[in-house]
Amino acid sequence: EDKVVQSPLSLVVHEGDTVTLNCSYEVTNFRSLLWYKQEKKAPTFLFMLTSSGIEKKSGRLSSILDKKELFSILNITATQTGDSAIYLCAVEWTGNQFYFGTGTSLTVIP
Amino acid sequence: NAGVTQTPKFQVLKTGQSMTLQCAQDMNHNSMYWYRQDPGMGLRLIYYSASEGTTDKGEVPNGYNVSRLNKREFSLRLESAAPSQTSVYFCASRAHTSYGYTFGSGTRLTVV
Repeated sequence: EDKVVQSPLSLVVHEGDTVTLNCSYEVTNFRSLLWYKQEKKAPTFLFMLTSSGIEKKSGRLSSILDKKELFSILNITATQTGDSAIYLCAVEWTGNQFYFGTGTSLTVIP
Repeated sequence: NAGVTQTPKFQVLKTGQSMTLQCAQDMNHNSMYWYRQDPGMGLRLIYYSASEGTTDKGEVPNGYNVSRLNKREFSLRLESAAPSQTSVYFCASRAHTSYGYTFGSGTRLTVV
């Protein structure tokens, strides 16, 4: 059965720490992998990855995809309290359908 | 720039009641989606509409119906609400397969 698994389920770090969030998938007809940040309400888009080995970067956040080993990582350097959120990974398996992981809950302590 | 607007934000229903969740986007996106989010289950697709005039079932369509009224609006209807439909519902839209979703702010629905 197709699925998306995120780890760890939750993480508590101190400000300034670097964190790595993992997303592994088993999906046929893979098209893309997306990362979202969800605070209190709607998920907000972070990255879309389609090709292996090409790092996407936005400020302190970066992400990379490995299509051979079927996983992606999301790195956050120099974490801040504003990074506290649930981070969602989603994998597209047709032109219009995604499987979402259950998310990693990140808490950054001052 | 409103993006994706969902109404209502909160709703409490009694078992067996019906209601429609409304969603509208002003970004001229072709595709629209309804997801539900439950603790420990992640976001699961209920229905989607790839373009105006088409709708398709997602992962968990039972108990729901949808209408793509025009390019802007995509509504989700619960004909006879059940406690298992207690969830947070998100509408989303997407311009093209090269882009991610834009989500609405969600509707928290409780069925008692």
